[in-house]
Amino acid sequence: GQSLEQPSEVTAVEGAIVQINCTYQTSGFYGLSWYQQHDGGAPTFLSYNALDGLEETGRFSSFLSRSDSYGYLLLQELQMKDSASYFCAVTSRDSNYQLIWGAGTKLIIKP
Amino acid sequence: DSGVTQTPKHLITATGQRVTLRCSPRSGDLSVYWYQQSLDQGLQFLIQYYNGEERAKGNILERFSAQQFPDLHSELNLSSLELGDSALYFCASSAPGRSGYTFGSGTRLTVV
Repeated sequence: GQSLEQPSEVTAVEGAIVQINCTYQTSGFYGLSWYQQHDGGAPTFLSYNALDGLEETGRFSSFLSRSDSYGYLLLQELQMKDSASYFCAVTSRDSNYQLIWGAGTKLIIKP
Repeated sequence: DSGVTQTPKHLITATGQRVTLRCSPRSGDLSVYWYQQSLDQGLQFLIQYYNGEERAKGNILERFSAQQFPDLHSELNLSSLELGDSALYFCASSAPGRSGYTFGSGTRLTVV
């Protein structure tokens, strides 16, 4: 089967750095995506990694290690507006390239 | 504005009724996906259409059906509604060569 694991909740302080991990089990892995969703809002695409390494987009970075079936989302200089749920999602050939979603990590930011 | 339009934004209906949710994908996107999200839950994939044809099916109940029309807009039909169908229903669209899905703002369905 295919599955993803990510922490259900992470707490951090404004201005700090936080890392949200995602481990996956899937065959025919193609890529790992990250989405942000504010309460009551729509998911918003953040990043996509198909190759090993770090992708940086402003304050957000995403990392992938295919050999470890592991990735993470790194958020720097945290702002209160970053309080949201963050979902990792895997694309694989075996799922006919459908996104397989993690359960989401709720990021709580304290002043 | 993400470019994906969903209507209506809110819907309140009684058990046993039938509703239709509508989605217009981002201009030029041929793929449309429907997702259900219950309170504080993750996203449950329902169904995907590509250029009018059903491409993939997820955990979609038999009471639910969808279609994509020649102008690429899509409709999700929910019938014999139950209290447990109360959820946010999202539509998303994608295009080859562009990473990620673009989601609409969702339809919040409340079954009473």
